[in-house]
Amino acid sequence: DVVLTQSPLSLPVTLGQPASISCRSSQSLVYSDGTTYLNWFQHRPGQSPRRLIYKVSNRDSGVPDRFSGSGSGTDFTLKISRVEAEDVGIYYCMQGTHWPPGYTFGQGTKLEIK
Amino acid sequence: EVQLVQSGAEVKKPGESLRLFCKGSGFTFTNYWISWVRQVPGKGLEWMGRIDPSDSETNYSPSFQGHVTISVDKSIKTAYLQWNSLKASDTAIYYCARLETYPDYWGQGTLVTVSS
Repeated sequence: DVVLTQSPLSLPVTLGQPASISCRSSQSLVYSDGTTYLNWFQHRPGQSPRRLIYKVSNRDSGVPDRFSGSGSGTDFTLKISRVEAEDVGIYYCMQGTHWPPGYTFGQGTKLEIK
Repeated sequence: EVQLVQSGAEVKKPGESLRLFCKGSGFTFTNYWISWVRQVPGKGLEWMGRIDPSDSETNYSPSFQGHVTISVDKSIKTAYLQWNSLKASDTAIYYCARLETYPDYWGQGTLVTVSS
């Protein structure tokens, strides 16, 4: 089965500084139609999760442009250009290319303010 | 306004059965798959499975296949997540969500506590 490995698992960041999270897949996430179904989710404390990025690099509506996604094949990155206090939470990558097993999340990366 | 409204918190004993609901409003319920996602306290998100309300087709994660049942009653725009025999390890927050749309939509989550 496809496994998504995130790093780091813990990310202390100073306000206003950039942050970067890596997501590596055990298999290519390019689907037969050429689309790469790799998404990024944010889960703030006490809230429901929400998707930030879909298909590698597309921001969902309402997501600040300080969030960006990139990558291809098996290696993907979520970047926050300048971390704000509201960005505290856990970030997950999720693949939707391989069925079964269906959607698969990475282990999560906990972002905190230094 | 699109909304997914979930059941309230539950406290159950091991071996008991449970059915959670997720009621949709503000959209054509039969047009969108509904997924269920688990978060065990202190652990990450896990996708459990999904259902197509138009025909009740389901897909399950291999990790949850056979342990839970996902169903739907499209007449009342409601999806369900059901256990026949709960275990302590089922203690978690359960979310329903629409993941295949832009943006995605999530319910508020239901805390299930299983303890003797």
